[in-house]
Formats: sequence, C-alpha cells, structure tokens
Amino acid sequence: EVQLVQSGAEVKKPGEPLKISCQASGFSFTNYWIGWVRQMPGKGLEWMGIIYPGDSETRYSPSFQGQVTISADKSISTAYLQWSSLKASDTAVYYCVRGSTYSYYWGQGTLVTVSS
Amino acid sequence: IVLTQSPGTLSLSPGERATLSCRASQSVSSTYFAWYQQKPGQAPRLLIYGASSRATGIPDRFSGSGSGTDFTLTISRLEPEDFAVYYCQQYGDSPQTFGQGTKVEIK
Repeated sequence: EVQLVQSGAEVKKPGEPLKISCQASGFSFTNYWIGWVRQMPGKGLEWMGIIYPGDSETRYSPSFQGQVTISADKSISTAYLQWSSLKASDTAVYYCVRGSTYSYYWGQGTLVTVSS
Repeated sequence: IVLTQSPGTLSLSPGERATLSCRASQSVSSTYFAWYQQKPGQAPRLLIYGASSRATGIPDRFSGSGSGTDFTLTISRLEPEDFAVYYCQQYGDSPQTFGQGTKVEIK
C-alpha cells in the first residue's frame, strides 16, 4: 500500500528554522518524483516544487525558489521541506505528493504555524 | 498559466446536477488537466486526470470534459458526500497551477 506519512504540526516563531518530513512506503522511492503543495488558511492549493530522489534533481516554482529547500534521503525514503528563517506568512498546511503531474497519493498534511 | 474557476460557490440540493467550470489563461493540452475534491481537514483527492479519465475508485457520476482553455467537471447527481471544495489543476506548463476552488454547498 502506497503511503506518505508526514511529520506532525509545528508552532514556530518568526526567524526560526524548520524542516518537515514526508516518509514514503509501498513503492520505490527513488523512481518517483515527490512534490510539496502549500495551502494557506482558508485558501487554495499552490505547487511549490518537486524532487526526484533517484538523483536529487529538484525543481521549484518561481514563487518559492529561494524561499524553501526541498531535499530527500533515499536511505530512509524520506523527503523534506525546510526553511532557514520562517515568516508569519509561511503559516499554512503543507502536503507532500507523489508525482510530477497529477497526484493520486497525498500525505496527510503538516500544519505549520508561525507566530510571535 | 492562471486557472479561474466559476462559480465561487454552487448551492444545490442532493440529487441535482453540478457543473463546475475552469478557464485557463492560455491553452492547456487536455492530457495535462486534473480535478480534485477536498473536504475540511482532509488532503485533496484526485477525481479526474487527462481532463476526462476518472481516477481509481471514483464513481461514474463524476465526469470531466473540455479542451484548450475551457474545462468542466460535472457531477450528474449530487450525493451527500459530494459537498466539498473542488480544484482544477494544469500540469502541462511549469509551474503547474491550481484554480482557486469552487465550493459546492447544500442548498
């Protein structure tokens, strides 16, 4: 069974770093793109970027380039999304997805709250 | 590519037909168009890909159509579990983009 299990909710202060994770199981992690999608409170879906764990090729939406870093550790089938310095506007639910096109498989989402 | 969904909210009764529209700011190959359903507190669920192909496990009351800049999701007879927010997505042009959503609510 394909599963994407994300790390738990986070509450952070502005300026703090953060790394959230997405652990994959039930498929060959190195053979599929893994992406991240943002959903701000009460808003729609925004595609952030993707990574191919097989060779770590990464692509970002221009809106998120330089704002976040996507990485993966194929030894533990886990993808990551990280910030070096959070802003209040980073408050959102973040979903990991399998695939570089449409996404049948989604993680359960990680709520990130950034507040002073 | 900007995707604009209409209407923003659709108020209907169970058993009625729902027609949701998504217009793209430039032409999208129908091969690269999808629809999702999202309920509160849940991750989105893929309904349609390739503009008209139903995802695994999706009931046949859901259908997708369209080409170029105009795409439609039709729910033939609304069931109580269909009241949710629906998003369109294009993945033919980078970055892939989503529409802002249409909420289907109980009238």
